[in-house]
Amino acid sequence: DAKTTQPTSMDCAEGRAANLPCNHSTISGNEYVYWYRQIHSQGPQYIIHGLKNNETNEMASLIITEDRKSSTLILPHATLRDTAVYYCIVRPWDGNRDDKIIFGKGTRLHILP
Amino acid sequence: GAVVSQHPSRVICKSGTSVKIECRSLDFQATTMFWYRQFPKQSLMLMATSNEGSKATYEQGVEKDKFLINHASLTLSTLTVTSAHPEDSSFYICSARGAGGPDTQYFGPGTRLTVL
Repeated sequence: DAKTTQPTSMDCAEGRAANLPCNHSTISGNEYVYWYRQIHSQGPQYIIHGLKNNETNEMASLIITEDRKSSTLILPHATLRDTAVYYCIVRPWDGNRDDKIIFGKGTRLHILP
Repeated sequence: GAVVSQHPSRVICKSGTSVKIECRSLDFQATTMFWYRQFPKQSLMLMATSNEGSKATYEQGVEKDKFLINHASLTLSTLTVTSAHPEDSSFYICSARGAGGPDTQYFGPGTRLTVL
């Protein structure tokens, strides 16, 4: 079972920042927070991941609360191409090659023109 | 990032036939491959995990005799849907992970299977 809770859907105006929340209150100390997105009829695309520090890359920023029980993915300037389902996932990184990604229901983000 | 390909991208078959879907890691060696399926308006559901050279591990409720997985090399895994029926119609997605761990896991573009 997925260990995360996300809103079912969100709207965001084009050009504005999209802030997608995720709750992971049962996260363990060795588990990372990963974000993927899936554009319609495509495979999932990796966005970003983090352990406890905030992270930023060319796609997005990830803000993780100090207690690590929740996080927010920020798309700084959303475009129509960012319309997708966004999945927040927690997973350990302990070198176990059988570690697997379990997807929850994700958040369907609509970018409005 | 690395590239994972799937072939075919779309397949239509008659009920009772078998369909093979290929998943290839194009520029890295995939020690582990994963197969998912996704029904319309639903999330991805993990079907099985396969490590190169060993038998696949199937998730609960997934019939291993119906969904045959072969991971014969570090760059190729195949999923064969045997005796396909209309309820097997779905979007099948593979994922490949290199030896570097979770940071080296990438997803294929998916294969849409329609069984008539």
